[in-house]
Amino acid sequence: GDSVTQMEGPVTLSEEAFLTINCTYTATGYPSLFWYVQYPGEGLQLLLKATKADDKGSNKGFEATYRKETTSFHLEKGSVQVSDSAVYFCALRSGGYQKVTFGTGTKLQVIP
Amino acid sequence: DTAVSQTPKYLVTQMGNDKSIKCEQNLGHDTMYWYKQDSKKFLKIMFSYNNKELIINETVPNRFSPKSPDKAHLNLHINSLELGDSAVYFCASSQGTGDSNQPQHFGDGTRLSIL
Repeated sequence: GDSVTQMEGPVTLSEEAFLTINCTYTATGYPSLFWYVQYPGEGLQLLLKATKADDKGSNKGFEATYRKETTSFHLEKGSVQVSDSAVYFCALRSGGYQKVTFGTGTKLQVIP
Repeated sequence: DTAVSQTPKYLVTQMGNDKSIKCEQNLGHDTMYWYKQDSKKFLKIMFSYNNKELIINETVPNRFSPKSPDKAHLNLHINSLELGDSAVYFCASSQGTGDSNQPQHFGDGTRLSIL
């Protein structure tokens, strides 16, 4: 079956540091890939997505590139802010199915 | 304005009680979901409905029963609540039967605490 593996957190960074959160996946067919963010006390929100190989999703300074050869979708940001502190979830959705497979989430804490 | 709304936001109740959580979406989506998030933030799919029809039913105790009166609503009823049911329950919706490109939209969650 489909699966998503994320790096374990928590990740603690100083403000303006570079962020990478690793995500790899296994899936049948050609899934769409997503990053969701969950701020404290809230539900998940879509951060960015990519629907085919070599696509790059980007939003709010975050980027992730769909790498079919390494089955990866790593999340990056050049300069994090305190307001980026949240839990980040990598997810995939396979064509023809409504089921979304989520990773275990990575908590990011940014300190001033 | 809220796209996916759940009620109540907090639910504190005694073990053995029966409770319901309601969810409504005004996005015109055809698919709705229930997830359970534990204290370690792990998200587990419980149910999914497409056009009022149950399409995903993961291994969940039969004390949990979803009901979808129409496309815009998916309620969750829980009988005989147990301590292990304490968690945050999220409702979500998405559009596109067979279309994997569409993301899910989540509600803000219902924080269920069993005493």
